[in-house]
Amino acid sequence: QVQLVQSGAEVKKPGASVKVSCKASGYTFTGYYMHWVRQAPGQGLEWMGWINPNSGGTNYAQKFQGRVTMTRDTSISTAYMELSRLRSDDTAVYYCARFLSSSWYGDWFDPWGQGTLVTVSS
Amino acid sequence: SSELTQDPAVSVALGQTVRITCQGDSLRSYYASWYQQKPGQAPVLVIYGKNNRPSGIPDRFSGSSSGNTASLTITGAQAEDEADYYCNSRDSSGSRVFGGGTKLTVL
Repeated sequence: QVQLVQSGAEVKKPGASVKVSCKASGYTFTGYYMHWVRQAPGQGLEWMGWINPNSGGTNYAQKFQGRVTMTRDTSISTAYMELSRLRSDDTAVYYCARFLSSSWYGDWFDPWGQGTLVTVSS
Repeated sequence: SSELTQDPAVSVALGQTVRITCQGDSLRSYYASWYQQKPGQAPVLVIYGKNNRPSGIPDRFSGSSSGNTASLTITGAQAEDEADYYCNSRDSSGSRVFGGGTKLTVL
């Protein structure tokens, strides 16, 4: 079955960087864009950007440009999201999600990874 | 600020019908997709496209759209449907955007 498995929880100090991994299985990794979404405690979902696993091309939300880097390793079907210069308000659960698009059905995210809690605290 | 607007909270009596709405200009041109999120869990896709349900989603969930408003309807709400619901679509720049979410309470 299609599955995304993310790396474990992280605790970081302000100013540090964090790199979260997302390992895909059950489908052709290079065939679908991978998006990253985060959710601060008690808040809604916030879109961060995507990576095209085939080409490595990326598109980041303006809010995160200059601080986020999305990469992939096709040999192990894994996508990565690195966020730098962490602040306390970056404390959130970070999700990866496979993106599907159809001219007939529109587009959607399915499935989602289980989430990775990143805590930024001094 | 989000370009997709949802009511923060909605309630429904057990077994009754509830509609959760999502408003935004991009919805005039693009479909919304809908996600259910229960506490401590990752979001789950419930509706995509005009009105499509992934395998495993009960048929009491349906979607519709009119003008700048997309709707998720639960016909015969069950206790297990109590959750947060989020819509998603493109924004004006072609990136993705989520609605602020609607907390559904089943009474």
